Amino acid sequence: DAMVIQNPRYQVTQFGKPVTLSCSQTLNHNVMYWYQQKSSQAPKLLFHYYDKDFNNEADTPDNFQSRRPNTSFCFLDIRSPGLGDAAMYLCATSRELETSLAKNIQYFGAGTRLSVL
Amino acid sequence: AQSVTQPDIHITVSEGASLELRCNYSYGATPYLFWYVQSPGQGLQLLLKYFSGDTLVQGIKGFEAEFKRSQSSFNLRKPSVHWSDAAEYFCAVGPYSGGYQKVTFGIGTKLQVIP
Repeated sequence: DAMVIQNPRYQVTQFGKPVTLSCSQTLNHNVMYWYQQKSSQAPKLLFHYYDKDFNNEADTPDNFQSRRPNTSFCFLDIRSPGLGDAAMYLCATSRELETSLAKNIQYFGAGTRLSVL
Repeated sequence: AQSVTQPDIHITVSEGASLELRCNYSYGATPYLFWYVQSPGQGLQLLLKYFSGDTLVQGIKGFEAEFKRSQSSFNLRKPSVHWSDAAEYFCAVGPYSGGYQKVTFGIGTKLQVIP
């Protein structure tokens, strides 16, 4: 059974029209991450939540926001999508933000592929 | 800053042939190393990880990887490839310690398997 669920799998939006991507998890993990993956590129971390604490990567554009209303759900909001924001968006979770990665693996959802027209 | 290089963007192998995907990393201390696989339209699945100890790591689906500190490499291998192995493979590096476990991914290697 899927443990990290992303909806929708495919999203089409118009240039400048706000869009929200959804992620839910059944693992009860404390940390949720959002990555952006453009074609033929590595996944790029946008931000993460540890519980309710939000941590934005320094180079994440202001156009990208996130909300985490409870442990299970996390949303990615793109306020004014541009053509350059077309990408696969991956949600991931991990149990903790520990100093050692040995006990702390990230689990990924299947992703949402966003197209901007 | 940590970084990962996957020099092969695309590799084609015949079914049943052996496979080696290359990964080189740059990190100032002892790294944690990962290989993930991404099938078309799917998220990333962890194949294997190296933290310490034995430098030859066994993973799922018959994959293994060998950590070579002297070469800063963590190459992924499989003795006999199956058609279902066609996917994109990402090498990643993370910090051994630190309050925030940011993982850096390589750009990936696309594997094509031909009959």
